[in-house]
Amino acid sequence: EAGVAQSPRYKIIEKRQSVAFWCNPISGHATLYWYQQILGQGPKLLIQFQNNGVVDDSQLPKDRFSAERLKGVDSTLKIQPAKLEDSAVYLCASSLEAYEQYFGPGTRLTVT
Amino acid sequence: AQSVTQLGSHVSVSEGALVLLRCNYSSSVPPYLFWYVQYPNQGLQLLLKYTTGATLVKGINGFEAEFKKSETSFHLTKPSAHMSDAAEYFCAVIEGGFKTIFGAGTRLFVKA
Repeated sequence: EAGVAQSPRYKIIEKRQSVAFWCNPISGHATLYWYQQILGQGPKLLIQFQNNGVVDDSQLPKDRFSAERLKGVDSTLKIQPAKLEDSAVYLCASSLEAYEQYFGPGTRLTVT
Repeated sequence: AQSVTQLGSHVSVSEGALVLLRCNYSSSVPPYLFWYVQYPNQGLQLLLKYTTGATLVKGINGFEAEFKKSETSFHLTKPSAHMSDAAEYFCAVIEGGFKTIFGAGTRLFVKA
């Protein structure tokens, strides 16, 4: 089966610009996660969807970050405007059963 | 609040030697525990998980981990390291719900 797809793989933007990331989960997976992984740290959950509803977004900086999951399948994560501290790898994951997550390759964002 | 502590941000072993990566967690209820591996420029891949039942769990690539409730530990071991094991390893916990908390990671180096 195809894995979790993410695009783009790499993105470089200037601070105060906007950026969007796309994720296509494994077919049939109801739960979708977005994580932020800063260099040298473990992934931090930004938002978790169950189908197209938000389960947890307690660590999402809502003044600049937004996410949606269209029709319970694909998802986009947007940052507007970006700050230098947003430089990180953004990981998307999906799961069928609770708990066991399958990760995409990530999008490496550099904000200059 | 739940947390995960991985002792040692870097571990270096010789090829053929025992691999031991340490993970301790804090949880007020029996947790679900995971080890993930991340190779350079890739997403995370599940190595093994503990949910219920046998406390010694076996995973892929010859790794295993033992859940010790009295020590609140879930250390990862492999009897004989291989060069291909060089990667970053993350311990993660879910406590009684759905939110995954990751440790900061341990980078494993394998010397020839």
